[in-house]
This record gives sequence, C-alpha cells and structure tokens, in this order.
Amino acid sequence: GAGVSQSPRYKVAKRGQDVALRCDPISGHVSLFWYQQALGQGPEFLTYFQNEAQLDKSGLPSDRFFAERPEGSVSTLKIQRTQQEDSAVYLCASSSGLSGNTIYFGEGSWLTVV
Amino acid sequence: DAKTTQPNSMESNEEEPVHLPCNHSTISGTDYIHWYRQLPSQGPEYVIHGLTSNVNNRMASLAIAEDRKSSTLILHRATLRDAAVYYCILRDPPGGSGNTGKLIFGQGTTLQVKP
Repeated sequence: GAGVSQSPRYKVAKRGQDVALRCDPISGHVSLFWYQQALGQGPEFLTYFQNEAQLDKSGLPSDRFFAERPEGSVSTLKIQRTQQEDSAVYLCASSSGLSGNTIYFGEGSWLTVV
Repeated sequence: DAKTTQPNSMESNEEEPVHLPCNHSTISGTDYIHWYRQLPSQGPEYVIHGLTSNVNNRMASLAIAEDRKSSTLILHRATLRDAAVYYCILRDPPGGSGNTGKLIFGQGTTLQVKP
C-alpha cells in the first residue's frame, strides 16, 4: 500500500492477556518507530528500528513490552500480561532514514484493556 | 531534547488566516523545526519543516525568527478540515552520533475552526 498500515485497528483485551500489534511500513523505508498515545496526550516514543536492528528502546515502559522487526520490514509490538494502564493508541511510523526526511504515521491500533 | 512551548488551544473562523506560535528558546544549531498535525482518530501527519529560512508549501507557511528561538505556523485560509492538534517539534536529523531522528511530541495546540 501507499502508506503505513497497522492491524488490528481496534483491540479489546482482558487484563493479563497478551497482545500483538502489527505494522507494515512504507516499502523500502529503513527507519521504523513505535509510539504510545494515551487519551488527550501527545504521542510518546517507545522504540526505533533501523532495518532489523533495534537501536533505541529507551521508551518501552516495562519488560512486558517487546518489539521486533526480524526481516527489516514488518514490525510487531507485543505486550505481555496487559494491564489497564496499557490502554492507548499505538502508532507506528516509518521514514526513509535520510537526513531531513518526513516521518509517515499509520492510523494506529486502539488498545483497550478491560 | 530541546523543548517547545505552545498555547493549549486556539480558535479561528473559517476562511481566515491562522497563526500558530511556538517558542523554542533552547534550540540548538542542528535542530530543525518540524510541524505535524493530528486530526481526530488519525495518526499525526507532516505539515512543514525548516531550519533558518521561512518555508512555504501547499499546506502552510513557516515563519522562523531570526534568532530561531520562536516560529509561527501560518494557515492562510483555515477550513473546517484544519481542525486538529498542531505539534511544533525540534528534531535533530538522523545519522550523526547515532541519532535516530525520532520526534518528541509535546501537548500541541488544539485548533478549533468555527464556520
């Protein structure tokens, strides 16, 4: 597709359940970012990949959060043993990685933990 | 990361110009000034960016102060579709010193456009 694609768009999980959120970046984009956005707040950085290498995971809130991009294209954000405070929109973004380039965002995966 | 300060909210009338201010007094020499906006229920989208000179594109204009400590996003004729949260972000370009070029969002300015 032409843009960043995320699935599922909406997910309701029971507390304690594991969830996996998928991101298909724009074809050929080297850089991939994950963000978390709570209701009424700006997006907060979680992690960054350059191709398959996870170069920055400083924003991951706990060891329950895990991200991977094994072949340098599709990425998965996994949240283990979900808790209510994990309810948020999870945004994926990609860019070509060149200096001054634009970062393109997907529409997000809306996670509600009940 | 250098911070930006924006008003929480602004209102505009449809088809009138809108000037969205941003203060960034701690900007460094390599920081670009980026503006993104987020429409309801969508991911952020790129609006414009600049380094020192004023910039124009099909969406907006960016006016940058001479000392680079502030900037203004200008929407020349606001429409109802411009109602969104506008984020002013300082971004160190990717590449140097292992910098990822990630965007650090603040609270942004919520723009309301009245018909």
